[in-house]
Amino acid sequence: DTEVTQTPKHLVMGMTNKKSLKCEQHMGHRAMYWYKQKAKKPPELMFVYSYEKLSINESVPSRFSPECPNSSLLNLHLHALQPEDSALYLCASSQGGEKLFFGSGTQLSVL
Amino acid sequence: GENVEQHPSTLSVQEGDSAVIKCTYSDSASNYFPWYKQELGKRPQLIIDIRSNVGEKKDQRIAVTLNKTAKHFSLHITETQPEDSAVYFCAAGWTTDSWGKLQFGAGTQVVVTP
Repeated sequence: DTEVTQTPKHLVMGMTNKKSLKCEQHMGHRAMYWYKQKAKKPPELMFVYSYEKLSINESVPSRFSPECPNSSLLNLHLHALQPEDSALYLCASSQGGEKLFFGSGTQLSVL
Repeated sequence: GENVEQHPSTLSVQEGDSAVIKCTYSDSASNYFPWYKQELGKRPQLIIDIRSNVGEKKDQRIAVTLNKTAKHFSLHITETQPEDSAVYFCAAGWTTDSWGKLQFGAGTQVVVTP
């Protein structure tokens, strides 16, 4: 299995809602990442997990809360988001630091 | 932190011609330089990558060159085909045995016309 699977594919939420994005990989990769991508812009790194431990938080607001329950799963918990948080959220994984495999993303709209 | 500049922002080529995209980076500690292709509505996909101890790498119609002294790296696509139309992102960063941190360029929209 050479895929990174993200659910849901689309999500619409209000500013007071709580929701979670999920990511799963079965390639045995030990590093997992969350990226944010706005339309016509490059992916921007948010968080890096290595061996289920948070290695990097790129000064992301606390309304985004990552979680890595095990080596195959990565979640992003969302609470009290702002309309400017609307974007494509991409999960990625890698064995070591190279050759990131991206998931298809969750297109998030915050109303 | 790392800063990556990418040019041009758009590139139109005739089918069969070559396309060249150039990137510069700022952090001399960067040791890994991948290129990603993203079609509309799709995920970024790795098309080629190069490490800092290598000057050039080729994979069929795609090649990447790296000039560490000048902090430049480039993507070359030969014999372009309509399916090469996409946004291409360069990236620079450093890696450990366990994970890596990449900074992406702004992207180049490539349009190949038949």
